Amino acid sequence: SQELEQSPQSLIVQEGKNLTINCTSSKTLYGLYWYKQKYGEGLIFLMMLQKGGEEKSHEKITAKLDEKKQQSSLHITASQPSHAGIYLCGADITGANSKLTFGKGITLSVRP
Amino acid sequence: GAVVSQHPSWVICKSGTSVKIECRSLDFQATTMFWYRQFPKQSLMLMATSNEGSKATYEQGVEKDKFLINHASLTLSTLTVTSAHPEDSSFYICSAREMSGGFGYTFGSGTRLTVV
Repeated sequence: SQELEQSPQSLIVQEGKNLTINCTSSKTLYGLYWYKQKYGEGLIFLMMLQKGGEEKSHEKITAKLDEKKQQSSLHITASQPSHAGIYLCGADITGANSKLTFGKGITLSVRP
Repeated sequence: GAVVSQHPSWVICKSGTSVKIECRSLDFQATTMFWYRQFPKQSLMLMATSNEGSKATYEQGVEKDKFLINHASLTLSTLTVTSAHPEDSSFYICSAREMSGGFGYTFGSGTRLTVV
């Protein structure tokens, strides 16, 4: 079974629309990382969250970690074609900060 | 910012041959480097964790003798796929964590391996 579940699996939105994607775990997320990936390329770091209730923003992207530290959401405001790609959440679910476990990723397409 | 260089970006090899993939941290020292494998539309699967100067720790189900990992310096880790077979074809990606103990994980650009 997948330790980190990402939803939805894929998403197509019209340019300018807002969207939210999620990352859920049955275990405590001691450190939660959001990355963006273009197919066949490396991962681009977006944000890292550690504390329950924490929220961070960068440009039009906002990420939150819930109080229980078992779910994170990523919100994009006024989406643009440049936001298209695969969004991966990775987390330390052991507490030892020794490695990251990843979800399957969410493929986002933005229609001009 | 932290940069990790991975080389080659793609490689095609014949069955039975070995392929080496390099992962270098360009502007920081990495005590720990990680090797992942990614299948299409799948998550990154951690293969092994390598620490400079010591043996790599492999995840369950990963063959140590097939995927040789060497972390000889604080800036370089290599993954060698030995006696490659078509089922080893995949996207391999490395990650490095700074020696300073920060929580950041920086990823390389990945290597597309095709075994024919």
